[in-house]
Amino acid sequence: QSVLTQPPSVSAAPGQKVTISCSGIRSNVGNNYVSWYQQLPGTAPKLLIYKNNKRPSGIPDRFSGSKSGTSATLAITGLQTGDEADYYCGTWNNGLSAGGVFGGGTKLTVL
Amino acid sequence: QVQLLESGPGLVKPSQTLSLTCTVSGASISSGGFYWSWIRQHPGKGLEWIGYIYYSGSVQYNFSLRSRVTISVDTSKNQISLKLNSVTAADTAVYYCARTAIPSDAFDFWGQGTMVTVSS
Repeated sequence: QSVLTQPPSVSAAPGQKVTISCSGIRSNVGNNYVSWYQQLPGTAPKLLIYKNNKRPSGIPDRFSGSKSGTSATLAITGLQTGDEADYYCGTWNNGLSAGGVFGGGTKLTVL
Repeated sequence: QVQLLESGPGLVKPSQTLSLTCTVSGASISSGGFYWSWIRQHPGKGLEWIGYIYYSGSVQYNFSLRSRVTISVDTSKNQISLKLNSVTAADTAVYYCARTAIPSDAFDFWGQGTMVTVSS
């Protein structure tokens, strides 16, 4: 059972837009930055978004992030078949159980 | 370019200790400014943060694993290590090391991961 809640799967056609939600509580998403990771089959996760909405060098602007309250969203526009992957949100949890926390992951299928 | 490479036994017997090493290249752990984490992924499942260490030796562990986990650093070898004792089949996973600029920040560089199976 993951600390952050993501939909198990989303799908859309090439060229379309898809959004993936990430829900938490005040002690994690509400009070900390959210990051997003893309994991292609058989590979390690790769940072897509950090500090809620910033992209590392080399990440196309088709990927964007936002946060409001205790929820965050990853949006991918202009979907490509190469975007098929698992996507994870992550943040920090404050308090007694302080530490890194992640969502359960969302499988993106490009139809 | 920062690179992280995990290494260690791929098979550990139940009740024994899992020991892994992460060798960092392209950055010096002793320079500070970064925290080095272990993260695992059970087969077909999501990511679980295990803990982090700073070059000074300061550590923080996942509350649910803290009684079994030890993370250490060897700045002379530019390595961090993970020990997880009393393992069971539930510890079978891919283990990654990763870097963050501050504990609550994103993991910007990851190792390729190493699969560890707990089985007799």
